[in-house]
Parts: sequence; structure tokens; C-alpha cells
Amino acid sequence: TAGITQAPTSQILAAGRSMTLRCTQDMRHNAMYWYRQDLGLGLRLIHYSNTAGTTGKGEVPDGYSVSRANTDDFPLTLASAVPSQTSVYFCASSDSGEGTQYFGPGTRLTVL
Amino acid sequence: GQNIDQPTEMTATEGAIVQINCTYQTSGFNGLFWYQQHAGEAPTFLSYNVLDGLEEKGRLTSVLSRSKGYSYLLLKELQMKDSASYLCAVRDSNYQLIWGAGTKLIIKP
Repeated sequence: TAGITQAPTSQILAAGRSMTLRCTQDMRHNAMYWYRQDLGLGLRLIHYSNTAGTTGKGEVPDGYSVSRANTDDFPLTLASAVPSQTSVYFCASSDSGEGTQYFGPGTRLTVL
Repeated sequence: GQNIDQPTEMTATEGAIVQINCTYQTSGFNGLFWYQQHAGEAPTFLSYNVLDGLEEKGRLTSVLSRSKGYSYLLLKELQMKDSASYLCAVRDSNYQLIWGAGTKLIIKP
């Protein structure tokens, strides 16, 4: 079982460009999450979705958007990237909002 | 505000025992999680506590005291592969996880 996959593994992006980070899970989990991880800081929640068709804002949503058209996929879009969005991005899922979260391998994004 | 505190770095010797502490101040409490994260990899789930007391899994014990806002992770018979960061996270009243910055554990032979 693949679990959670993310693409791309890493990316260098010019400031002002748009980009979509992909996340797919095959565990039929209802809830999915996007986090960013920066050196010296804890994981910070960007957006989440408790079930297909719904999304919510986390702690640091500005500059990011998400959609949840189906159970398996939860893409994260940066409309106009800025250098402060340089980070490692992790997608996670859980069977419910109360369940244990399981993480994808991450995407390392550098915005220049 | 919400806050999770963990030591930044700890060093221990192979075969020994180490205790990694986590103190928290959050708006509500709906459980505490410990995750392990090797450098360049994703966090992986280790343990979950929601009631006061301990949870044991092999060489690992996690302990929670809600009245003190405190948890610790005890790792016994340390192995070189235990070198990693250990992340503490608390689920708040909105059922969102609030994460500590992690404790980097260095194991020396």
C-alpha cells in the first residue's frame, strides 16, 4: 500500500510564479492536512479538510489555497510564490478529525 | 497563546536510557502525540496519550500528566537508529494539532 504520496519531491520556483503541490492518499481517510516545516519551528497547519467537499484554514493560510474534490486528493496551490514560502511541505491524513495523522514524504520547495 | 516546549537537543549513549520532556499550554486538550522524524524524512507516529498515566510500546514509554501540562518520552536500550528528532503535539479544543519544534536526539557509541 502506498499510503500517502506527494509530488514533486523538490522544486525550485521563481518568485511570482504559481505552483501546485500534489497529495494523494489511498487509505480512504476522511481528513487531510497541509503543513509547512521550517527550521527551529514546529509544524504549522496551512489548510485542512475534514471530508471531501469541505476545507478550512489553519494557522498560516495566507498565500495558499486548497481544494478537496474527492477523498483521495488534496492539492495545495501557491498562486504567486514569495521567498518566505521556501519550506518543506508535508501532507497528512487521518481517518477522522480525531484520528492519528499519517504523513507523506514531503516536498522541499525553494522560492528564489 | 498556545505553546509547546521541548529541549532543542539532547545527547545520550548507545544502550542507555533517555527522557525527552514536553510541556504545553493550549486552549483545551484532546490528547498528546509523540512522533519520530529522521533527518530528511516524514514524521512517523510513536504514541498517543489522552488520560494521565503511561503507554508502553517495546523500548518506548510515554507518560502524561494533564494537571501539570507535561509529558515525557522514555527511550530504553538506545540504538544508533534512534538518532532522530522527537516531536510532541497536542490536540486542542478545535481538534487541531499544535506542534513543538522537536528535540534532536544524538546517540553516541
